[in-house]
Amino acid sequence: SSELTQDPAVSVALGQTVRITCQGDSLRIYFATWFQQKPGQAPVLVIYGRNNRPSGIPDRFSGSTSGSTASLTITGAQAEDEADYYCHSRDRSENHMIFGGGTKLTVL
Amino acid sequence: QVQLQESGPGLVKPSETLSLTCTVSGGSISGYYWTWIRQPPGKGLEWIGHIYYSGINKSNPSLKSRVTISGDTSKNQISLKLTSVTAADTAVYYCARDGLGDPTIYDSWGQGTLVTVSS
Repeated sequence: SSELTQDPAVSVALGQTVRITCQGDSLRIYFATWFQQKPGQAPVLVIYGRNNRPSGIPDRFSGSTSGSTASLTITGAQAEDEADYYCHSRDRSENHMIFGGGTKLTVL
Repeated sequence: QVQLQESGPGLVKPSETLSLTCTVSGGSISGYYWTWIRQPPGKGLEWIGHIYYSGINKSNPSLKSRVTISGDTSKNQISLKLTSVTAADTAVYYCARDGLGDPTIYDSWGQGTLVTVSS
């Protein structure tokens, strides 16, 4: 079965740009969906499809894919962006869905 | 705005069956994928499975033989049953809805409910 691999932790200085990556063979076929989760809260959808944001998500969040790697970019990170971020997609077999292990983002 | 609320026992004994319900308000369960996701304490998200309102469903191969997901349009509820639970099934369980016609895009989530497996 397929897997989605994320770096466990990433840090960024306040106001700088950070890229969170997600690597997996299935991303050659399917887009990644990205979720943000803050402590004690349910995840929130931040990016889906090629590069779409739900209403209410700031435009500093963007998504992209190159080959088998999907990226979530935060341009001008804010303190409130400190959270865990998860990528999600279909397994190559399409029989089920998979999450990446998550990336803990620290804003310094 | 659709709202989802998970409910069920917070404590289940090992080898027994975990049963949870997701009650949907502010919208119908028809026309959407409904997904169960869990998160063990301090760990990442795990996709359990989903059901399309028509009854077609899929589940995580690692759980497949133990998972049943069903929907009740008359009650506007989605249910999860997980049999033969062990301590490894202790987690916060979330239900979520795809709002955009794709079974990986969850735009609405319940608040989650913690289920502890312990004797």
